Amino acid sequence: GENVEQHPSTLSVQEGDSAVIKCTYSDSASNYFPWYKQELGKRPQLIIDIRSNVGEKKDQRIAVTLNKTAKHFSLHITETQPEDSAVYFCAASNNNDMRFGAGTRLTVKP
Amino acid sequence: DSGVTQTPKHLITATGQRVTLRCSPRSGDLSVYWYQQSLDQGLQFLIQYYNGEERAKGNILERFSAQQFPDLHSELNLSSLELGDSALYFCASSVAPTGGRTEAFFGQGTRLTVV
Repeated sequence: GENVEQHPSTLSVQEGDSAVIKCTYSDSASNYFPWYKQELGKRPQLIIDIRSNVGEKKDQRIAVTLNKTAKHFSLHITETQPEDSAVYFCAASNNNDMRFGAGTRLTVKP
Repeated sequence: DSGVTQTPKHLITATGQRVTLRCSPRSGDLSVYWYQQSLDQGLQFLIQYYNGEERAKGNILERFSAQQFPDLHSELNLSSLELGDSALYFCASSVAPTGGRTEAFFGQGTRLTVV
């Protein structure tokens, strides 16, 4: 099955700085790549996603890039704010299942 | 509110027991996924159903089983419980198996504590 690796496991940035989280996947059939944010004690919430026919997608301060050839995709958060502090999960999906990376704990220091 | 409902929210049970976790997907969603999240761990994929049929299986123990009923709700059965089964169990649903225009939305989870 699909194997998703996510780095770094923890990331600490100063408020206003950018944060980048990277993921790689193994299954070339994967064609959908969502990112979820999970605050402490809460459910994961979809924040952005990208499909394999698109190389980049942006939504306000967050953007995701996808390199199908290299099988990696990244989440970029600009102008980070303390409320961005959470655990972020990447995922990769073919038409059968959706597998998650191990998560990145992002801390934004005021 | 994601529209995905999981019951119960909390469950405390003893080792060796059996429990059933329930998930009602969003209206119109045919796909249901189950994930296990242990303390400070990631989301481990257990199993996926689509329109009543098993679609994909992940790292699900033989002591665990699941099904999706005709009304599309799903149940995850955990038996012969061990201390290590204590975790947050999430259900997610999507319109179709992901890969198309099919975002998956999570329920609030069931926190299982085995004592």
